[in-house]
Amino acid sequence: DIQMTQSPSSLSASVGDRVTITCRASQSISSFLNWYQQKPGEAPKLLIYTASTLQSGVPSRFSGSGSGTDFTLTISSLHPEDFTSYYCQQSYSTPLTFGGGTKVEIK
Amino acid sequence: QLQLQESGTRPVKPSETLSLTCAVSGGSISSNSYYWGWIRQPPGKGLEWIGTIFYSGSTYYNPSLKSRVTISVDTSKNQFSLTLSSVTAADTAVYYCARLPYVTQGWHAFDVWGQGTMVTVSS
Repeated sequence: DIQMTQSPSSLSASVGDRVTITCRASQSISSFLNWYQQKPGEAPKLLIYTASTLQSGVPSRFSGSGSGTDFTLTISSLHPEDFTSYYCQQSYSTPLTFGGGTKVEIK
Repeated sequence: QLQLQESGTRPVKPSETLSLTCAVSGGSISSNSYYWGWIRQPPGKGLEWIGTIFYSGSTYYNPSLKSRVTISVDTSKNQFSLTLSSVTAADTAVYYCARLPYVTQGWHAFDVWGQGTMVTVSS
């Protein structure tokens, strides 16, 4: 199985801050890396797929980069609605696996 | 607009079988471009992929659950289903169904999700 390690598991930031979340795969997954946002009590929402492609309707302040084993999700300027949890997920091979999540909290 | 809606019997008692159905509306489940999957999330924890099915019936399962999981599809009803046998308290979770686009290079991401249904395993 491909293990996905997200860091940090939580972070504190302020509105307007630039935030970066990292996801590392235990082996190369090419660009088969996806990012989701999940708000409490809701289903995950797809933000970025294949490492850097922004899902339709997602604000441009979200961006993704990386390939192989190391990936990043960047929020260029935090909005109040961005304080929630984020997950990475690899779709390179089964079993499909998710990172442990990053909770972005208000400082 | 595509929508997915989970339904099923809950709560479930230990050692019994959990059964859920995902109804697909606003689009056909019989598309060559999409797989359909189940994902679960225990309270306060992360996401776990359970398995994925194509409209032809081809399936992929998480090895950690494979001995207890069956995913099936009913194209006439435009829905797919999950059964999980011999459940324990560890199977208590929110269960989501979702769409998974497929291209020649492989799978993309789960792009449309159901709202999720909480299943509690308790005697």
